[in-house]
Amino acid sequence: KQEVTQIPAALSVPEGENLVLNCSFTDSAIYNLQWFRQDPGKGLTSLLLIQSSQREQTSGRLNASLDKSSGRSTLYIAASQPGDSATYLCAVQTGANNLFFGTGTRLTVIP
Amino acid sequence: DADVTQTPRNRITKTGKRIMLECSQTKGHDRMYWYRQDPGLGLRLIYYSFDVKDINKGEISDGYSVSRQAQAKFSLSLESAIPNQTALYFCATSDLTTSPNTQYFGPGTRLTVL
Repeated sequence: KQEVTQIPAALSVPEGENLVLNCSFTDSAIYNLQWFRQDPGKGLTSLLLIQSSQREQTSGRLNASLDKSSGRSTLYIAASQPGDSATYLCAVQTGANNLFFGTGTRLTVIP
Repeated sequence: DADVTQTPRNRITKTGKRIMLECSQTKGHDRMYWYRQDPGLGLRLIYYSFDVKDINKGEISDGYSVSRQAQAKFSLSLESAIPNQTALYFCATSDLTTSPNTQYFGPGTRLTVL
């Protein structure tokens, strides 16, 4: 069974810092990897999706990388802002509807 | 207006009660999903549906049932609620023909079983 791990579980940084969130998965046979943002009371928002054949995806200040062979992904957030404070979830898709989630990293950006 | 809505948003009930959580979507997607989220365990798939006539069990379907009343509606029922079903429940949708792998999530329903 696929297992997804996210480290660290929580992270606090001062505003303006660049930061990296980590995700690892045990089975490299994936269709894609997604990063989500979860805000209290607002559900999950998809940030980036990396297909298994891709190495990275970028959206604004966010950059996600994928190393399928080693079972790792990183989410890089540049010039962090207080509005980036949320829980970030990593999920890997291994079948048509098999989406395995990590437990998330709770990010706090201090003004 | 939100594309994926869930009702109720919060519910407190007692052990043994029947509970229904409802999900509606205006995205026109064919696929719908129910997940639960527990602290330290991440989201886990309960049931999913490819269309009105297709219902499939997920990783943790025991104790739950679902109904796909229409393309836009997918309900999750707990026939006899128990305390370990206390969790945050999410509905999600996806569309194979447009964004095949992106799931869009509702705001969640927080269920507490006493």
